[in-house]
Amino acid sequence: AQSVTQLDSHVSVSEGTPVLLRCNYSSSYSPSLFWYVQHPNKGLQLLLKYTSAATLVKGINGFEAEFKKSETSFHLTKPSAHMSDAAEYFCAVSPRAGNNRKLIWGLGTSLAVNP
Amino acid sequence: AAGVIQSPRHLIKEKRETATLKCYPIPRHDTVYWYQQGPGQDPQFLISFYEKMQSDKGSIPDRFSAQQFSDYHSELNMSSLELGDSALYFCASSLGAGRWNTEAFFGQGTRLTVV
Repeated sequence: AQSVTQLDSHVSVSEGTPVLLRCNYSSSYSPSLFWYVQHPNKGLQLLLKYTSAATLVKGINGFEAEFKKSETSFHLTKPSAHMSDAAEYFCAVSPRAGNNRKLIWGLGTSLAVNP
Repeated sequence: AAGVIQSPRHLIKEKRETATLKCYPIPRHDTVYWYQQGPGQDPQFLISFYEKMQSDKGSIPDRFSAQQFSDYHSELNMSSLELGDSALYFCASSLGAGRWNTEAFFGQGTRLTVV
């Protein structure tokens, strides 16, 4: 069985300071891992994904995440927050093999960026 | 580039009415997923189709049904609507068989409001 735990339901940072959104996963086999961002009343946009290539994954808008198998973590980071980063962030896991790639989601982390 | 198209974007229905949501996947994508996201909630997997056959079933109520057509578009039919069905319904598409590094692309969602 697969599951995702986002350790913080809400994170607040000041503009220009680093962002860390934490995600731990549980999977009985090597998974694919994803971070999605959702702005208010908008759809889900893929930030980045890990699918067994480089463990440090770079995504859009300056975000990156590092896959750490020993810690079963896939934390999302950004060196310097921007006001436009304020949104809901979802970590998700999916099986890497097979025809069914349904995503199992974390509960989301709401990121607030203060001026 | 073509994206996943969902229609309608917004829908208001009364209790006990029916609703049909449509999803047009990215061209050549053979897999469609439906998710339901309640207010302030993470997306919940409802059902998926691969090559026009149901491939997985999640927390889809018996009042809902879905299918994938020969052109790979999918429709989610919802009957006897309840207030609790008010949510954002996402469709996602991906390439299925044997493609281990695939990802799901999401539509903008259909916001269903039941009054």
